[in-house]
Amino acid sequence: KQEVTQIPAALSVPEGENLVLNCSFTDSAIYNLQWFRQDPGKGLTSLLLIQSSQREQTSGRLNASLDKSSGRSTLYIAASQPGDSATYLCAMRGRIKAAGNKLTFGGGTRVLVKP
Amino acid sequence: SAVISQKPSRDICQRGTSLTIQCQVDSQVTMMFWYRQQPGQSLTLIATANQGSEATYESGFVIDKFPISRPNLTFSTLTVSNMSPEDSSIYLCSVDTGRRYTEAFFGQGTRLTVV
Repeated sequence: KQEVTQIPAALSVPEGENLVLNCSFTDSAIYNLQWFRQDPGKGLTSLLLIQSSQREQTSGRLNASLDKSSGRSTLYIAASQPGDSATYLCAMRGRIKAAGNKLTFGGGTRVLVKP
Repeated sequence: SAVISQKPSRDICQRGTSLTIQCQVDSQVTMMFWYRQQPGQSLTLIATANQGSEATYESGFVIDKFPISRPNLTFSTLTVSNMSPEDSSIYLCSVDTGRRYTEAFFGQGTRLTVV
């Protein structure tokens, strides 16, 4: 059974510092991996999508890397701002057809950026 | 991408009653999903809403408790039946789309409190 883990569960940094969020998964048969942002009580906003054939994706201050061999993905947020405070979730989609290519979510990392 | 409208955004309901949540997508999609996010937890898939056939439920979720309709390729409803305080959660609608790569998009969620 696929498992996705995010450590740490919570993170607090001063404004301007770079954020590094970790996501690990147990099955290397990955189709793609998505990073999401969730504000309190709200839905999920897709940030970055990395296909299994890719090593990284970038969007503005965000950069996500993927290392299939070690089962890890990292989300970097440069020069953090208070508006980056939210919960960040990673979700892995496996290749196995029997699983219906469903998403498996990590527990999330709750980020607080202090002004 | 896909724009998903979910209604209601929040509700407070009496135990023993039922609530129907609506999900409208701005384009035709094959796969629609319903998730539950209990307080402080990550997302758990309830079921896959299939157009023209019964929904496919995940382990631990049953049709009598969470009936789902999918009348066409842009709309679905989830009903939470005979509610108890344990049903207090955020319920999220999601779709898979993308021409080249499968990417998940989410609605803004329905925050349900059962009293």
